[in-house]
Parts: sequence; C-alpha cells; structure tokens
Amino acid sequence: QVQLQESGPGLVKPSQTLSLTCTVSGASISSGGYYWSWIRLHPGKGLEWIGYIYYSGTIYYNPSLKSRISISVDTSKNQISLRVSSVTAADTAVYYCARARVGSSYYDSSTHYFDYWGQGTLVTVSS
Amino acid sequence: SFELTQPPSVSVSPGQTASITCSGDTLRYKYCSWYQQKAGQSPVLVIYQDTKRPSGIAARFSGSNSGGTATLTISGTQAMDEGHYYCQAWDSDTGVVFGGGTELTVL
Repeated sequence: QVQLQESGPGLVKPSQTLSLTCTVSGASISSGGYYWSWIRLHPGKGLEWIGYIYYSGTIYYNPSLKSRISISVDTSKNQISLRVSSVTAADTAVYYCARARVGSSYYDSSTHYFDYWGQGTLVTVSS
Repeated sequence: SFELTQPPSVSVSPGQTASITCSGDTLRYKYCSWYQQKAGQSPVLVIYQDTKRPSGIAARFSGSNSGGTATLTISGTQAMDEGHYYCQAWDSDTGVVFGGGTELTVL
C-alpha cells in the first residue's frame, strides 16, 4: 500500500524559508508513471495546488506561486521536498504531499488527479 | 485564469440524495475529479475522470459533467458522508485547480 509522510518544522518566522520533506513508502518514485505533488489547505479556505515533480526532475509549478517555491526529488531516499521562500502569514496552511495520476504527458488533459495523500503537516508562519 | 465555483454548503436529510455542483467556464471540455475530506483527515478521491469511482468507494457516490457544470451525487446519504467536498480539474495555463469546497451537512 502506498503511504506518504510529510515532515518538517511546524513553525516558521515571517520572511524565512519553509522546508518540508515527503517520504514515500510502498512505491518507488523512480519507477515512473506518476507525478508527485505538494498541495496545501489554508485554514477555513480550500485546497491549493503547489506543484508537481516527476522522478526525472521535470517540474510544473502553480503559476501564482512559482517565484517563491522550489520542489525537488531524491530518488535514493524515495523523497520529494518543498521549499517556500519569503513566507508570510498567508503561507500558514496544512501541507500535503500526494501522488498524481497524469496521462501520457503533463499536457494530456485526460488524466490529472490525486489517488494517494499524506496525512498532512500544519505549518504556521508567525514571529 | 481558470476557476472552479462550488456552493459553500449543502444540507441533506439522511437517506436522501445530495448533489454538489462545480462550475467553470470551460469545464465541459475538461475532466473533473472529486475529493471528500472529513474533519482532521486527508482528502480522499471519490470520483475521477467525471464519472469513475476508485476501488473501495461506495456505489452511492456518482459523478457527471455536462454543460459546464460537474455534479457529485450521493444517493442515500449517510451521516458518515458529512465533510467537505472539493472538485478539481486541470487547465493548460493554470495547472491543477480546485474548487473552493462545499461543506456537506447531513441533518
């Protein structure tokens, strides 16, 4: 069974960089066939997609966040990571990693959905 | 940019049918997925590619997409179905987009 587990600091100061890691078990990132994603849930609001990464290192970001985010993959550890720079209170959220089913390529519109999610980790931005 | 709009809340009596809508400008040309999120838990995929139900999801959950509106239908709604529901689609310019979410209350 595929399992994803997020980890990282629960509290980050404004203007600093938020860093999270997602460890995958029950599946190998390097096997391909799936994208791996970060998604966040703002308190009292909805879900927001942050970005995708493929095992090869191909990345797609949410255009509205692109200037401040970085996603990377470490296939040797079966992990993906997220960095969000210059954080503000608006970055306070529960951060999830998820496995994404994508079609033959990112631009294949027939298939983009998330079939496995981590339990999520709350990150609060506060001084 | 591409956006998806959901009603903030829907109420239904136990045993009745709940319908949650999701509208978007070009949604008729895209595939829609739906996620259920119960309090304190992670989202769970309940419908993908408009109408398909993942293994393990109850048959009372069904989906449709027509005329610019996608609909999640829960037949014979149970108290355990309470929670937030999010629609999701993909756009070539915007990427993955989620609706604002609908809180389902079973009264």
